[in-house]
Amino acid sequence: GNSVTQMEGPVTLSEEAFLTINCTYTATGYPSLFWYVQYPGEGLQLLLKATKADDKGSNKGFEATYRKETTSFHLEKGSVQVSDSAVYFCALSDQGGANNLFFGTGTRLTVIP
Amino acid sequence: GAVVSQHPSWVICKSGTSVKIECRSLDFQATTMFWYRQFPKQSLMLMATSNEGSKATYEQGVEKDKFLINHASLTLSTLTVTSAHPEDSSFYICSARLDSFNGYTFGSGTRLTVV
Repeated sequence: GNSVTQMEGPVTLSEEAFLTINCTYTATGYPSLFWYVQYPGEGLQLLLKATKADDKGSNKGFEATYRKETTSFHLEKGSVQVSDSAVYFCALSDQGGANNLFFGTGTRLTVIP
Repeated sequence: GAVVSQHPSWVICKSGTSVKIECRSLDFQATTMFWYRQFPKQSLMLMATSNEGSKATYEQGVEKDKFLINHASLTLSTLTVTSAHPEDSSFYICSARLDSFNGYTFGSGTRLTVV
């Protein structure tokens, strides 16, 4: 079946620190992979995605590379800001994104000045 | 961009009462809406998928008589937790999608506490 395992939080970093949030997946087919972000009081927003192996999704300084050999999609950012404080969800969708999303548990990131 | 409004953002109710959560797509018509639930330290789990004008499709293990879903229009879906119990306390979140070619837009979620 499909599942996502995500690094447990919470994660607290100082501003300008390097961020990695680990995510690994199990899927029966060739899934699309996503990172969603939820800022306080708001809905989940798509942060980035990758639809096939070796694709790199990027947005707002965040990056994640679809690694089929390690079944991973780790989220990274070189220099975090206070405004990046949020909950980050890794997710997958099988059959090219047409089907439902399977989520990880979410990782709460707090960036302190 | 597409916006989904979910209401209320939090609710406390007594055991045995029913609670209704609304999910509205504000600037697009959502042919499909999804309801998720997240228990502490667990993943967001899909509860059910609803298509406008038809019965919802529930995931395995979700009681359809307890979690009533109504998708009466292209912009509104409601989830009613009937005869709520403390074990129903959770974070409920909806999402909407115009069609299979478009992405998902999420509401901000509802924190339900049953006392």
